[in-house]
Amino acid sequence: GAVVSQHPSWVICKSGTSVKIECRSLDFQATTMFWYRQFPKQSLMLMATSNEGSKATYEQGVEKDKFLINHASLTLSTLTVTSAHPEDSSFYICTAMETGNTEAFFGQGTRLTVV
Amino acid sequence: QKEVEQDPGPLSVPEGAIVSLNCTYSNSAFQYFMWYRQYSRKGPELLMYTYSSGNKEDGRFTAQVDKSSKYISLFIRDSQPSDSATYLCAMKGNNRLAFGKGNQVVVIP
Repeated sequence: GAVVSQHPSWVICKSGTSVKIECRSLDFQATTMFWYRQFPKQSLMLMATSNEGSKATYEQGVEKDKFLINHASLTLSTLTVTSAHPEDSSFYICTAMETGNTEAFFGQGTRLTVV
Repeated sequence: QKEVEQDPGPLSVPEGAIVSLNCTYSNSAFQYFMWYRQYSRKGPELLMYTYSSGNKEDGRFTAQVDKSSKYISLFIRDSQPSDSATYLCAMKGNNRLAFGKGNQVVVIP
């Protein structure tokens, strides 16, 4: 099956620093990427949707200047958490879709801890 | 009304029982319906997906879709302790992917 590789799987950073999370589709063209955040014991919450070559569409309440999403190629999307704060500590996960394909494929997720 | 509604209440069942989960949705553009299973501290994994109204079976799992009522269900027969996880419904259409809140299921040996 299709594979989406998300890196890093976990990261600890200091408050005020920035963290970049990468999501790569290894064997298909990810025309659309979704970025989700999941707090403990809660469901996935959509942060933004990005189509290759276009600006991301952010969900209400998600700060686009804080969570920078880049989807410059059909195989790579990145999420950068800028000026991270402890409340940004969460599980971030990407999901990739290929146009015409019925299935969405998840990355392995990144556990971010901001100290 | 939210796009996808899934009652997140935890569900505990004895081993061997049938687990019944469901979601409702409001967006008529959704054409593909999926169920994901998520174990603690892991990413969701696709369990089943369906396109048309009706039933789809895969082993002990049955997915039902009723597009006219905008209602989908997942049934797990002969539940096992290894089925204990969070189950999320998901729907896709018009380049949009939406998830339910997820149901935590605990199968008690």
